[in-house]
Amino acid sequence: AQSVSQHNHHVILSEAASLELGCNYSYGGTVNLFWYVQYPGQHLQLLLKYFSGDPLVKGIKGFEAEFIKSKFSFNLRKPSVQWSDTAEYFCAVKVGSGGYQKVTFGTGTKLQVIP
Amino acid sequence: NAGVMQNPRHLVRRRGQEARLRCSPMKGHSHVYWYRQLPEEGLKFMVYLQKENIIDESGMPKERFSAEFPKEGPSILRIQQVVRGDSAAYFCASSPSTGNTEAFFGQGTRLTVV
Repeated sequence: AQSVSQHNHHVILSEAASLELGCNYSYGGTVNLFWYVQYPGQHLQLLLKYFSGDPLVKGIKGFEAEFIKSKFSFNLRKPSVQWSDTAEYFCAVKVGSGGYQKVTFGTGTKLQVIP
Repeated sequence: NAGVMQNPRHLVRRRGQEARLRCSPMKGHSHVYWYRQLPEEGLKFMVYLQKENIIDESGMPKERFSAEFPKEGPSILRIQQVVRGDSAAYFCASSPSTGNTEAFFGQGTRLTVV
């Protein structure tokens, strides 16, 4: 069965600092990869997704992620964070297609941006 | 096209009562997933359903929890004889059966057991 690991559980940054959140997955086959964000008190929203093609994926709000197949990684990055980026970030992997698709999430990383 | 609809948003139950959480997937979506979110524990997969079928329930507790996704109507997550430890946010997500797309989430149901 697939699994997703997020190594940083809680990250504190000052505004304008650069961000990188780690995500590794374990699954030997084809995967689709996602990063979701959950702002306080809200539901999960998609930040970006990777299905195929260019392994560097750009998402909303200046976020990007790079899929490195050899490392089974899909790290999230942002060059300069803002206070409004304070939220919890979840990495997810989807395996299968058509009749069977399962989406598994990491345990999440809480990001706190200090003004 | 309405998003994933969950109701109720907040549910308070006394210990021993039953909790019923509803999820209407997005139009055209035939896959439904339920997740439980506890503080400091992230998002835990519970069950994956398609219409009238449970595909994967490996994350569901063996007792008191059940889920269904009938041919007509919303998906239901049922928790019988609730205990304090069931207090959590329960999120439903849906996705279509074809195409490269993400799972879309509902607003969640926050269950509080008193």
